[in-house]
Amino acid sequence: EVQLVESGGGLVQPGGSLRLSCAASGFTFSSYWMSWVRQAPGKGLEWVANINQDRSQKYYVDSLKGRFTISRDNAKNSLYLQMNSLRAEDTAVYYCASGISWEPYFQQWGQGTLVTVSS
Amino acid sequence: QSVLTQPPSASGTPGQRVTISCSGSSSNIGRNYVYWYQHLPGTAPKLLIYWNNQRPSGVPDRFSGSKSGTSASLAISGLRSEDEAHYYCAGWDGSLSGVVFGGGTKLTVL
Repeated sequence: EVQLVESGGGLVQPGGSLRLSCAASGFTFSSYWMSWVRQAPGKGLEWVANINQDRSQKYYVDSLKGRFTISRDNAKNSLYLQMNSLRAEDTAVYYCASGISWEPYFQQWGQGTLVTVSS
Repeated sequence: QSVLTQPPSASGTPGQRVTISCSGSSSNIGRNYVYWYQHLPGTAPKLLIYWNNQRPSGVPDRFSGSKSGTSASLAISGLRSEDEAHYYCAGWDGSLSGVVFGGGTKLTVL
């Protein structure tokens, strides 16, 4: 069974850092582009970043460049999102998703992990 | 303000046909594929349409997508109560070098 399972969410103070993980199973993780997509409370979906199979290509939404870093470890079938200098507006459910290219052809999604930035 | 523009809401009665529009520009819809997602609260989004008008296996043929110029549409025929959800269009924007989503359309089945 194809599965993506996010972890690492929780409550963090403004200015703090958090590292999200996404564990993949049931498919050849190293063959797929991977993305992070978030949804703030009461808001729509917002793409955060994606990374290609060999980590040579990474794209970020302009508003988050410099604060968030996407990475992956194909040996561990895992995707990561390092989030620094967190702000209240980063509060959201964060989903990981797999795709065949840089385009939003997201065939598989995780269940999401909630990040709450609050003092 | 989303790069792709969708109406915030749409509605229909069971059995009706509804369409949801998605307006973009030459840097996204105009030269790249359009994708559509269905999102129910508390669940993961589900891919409904890829490459403008293709349905993944398991998606009913009641759902169809189309694209013309810098706009796209999702049509749902034979509306059912379980179709009540949020719908999002998405695509790649070459000028932004990133994925863009529409603001989402909440579909209500009356």
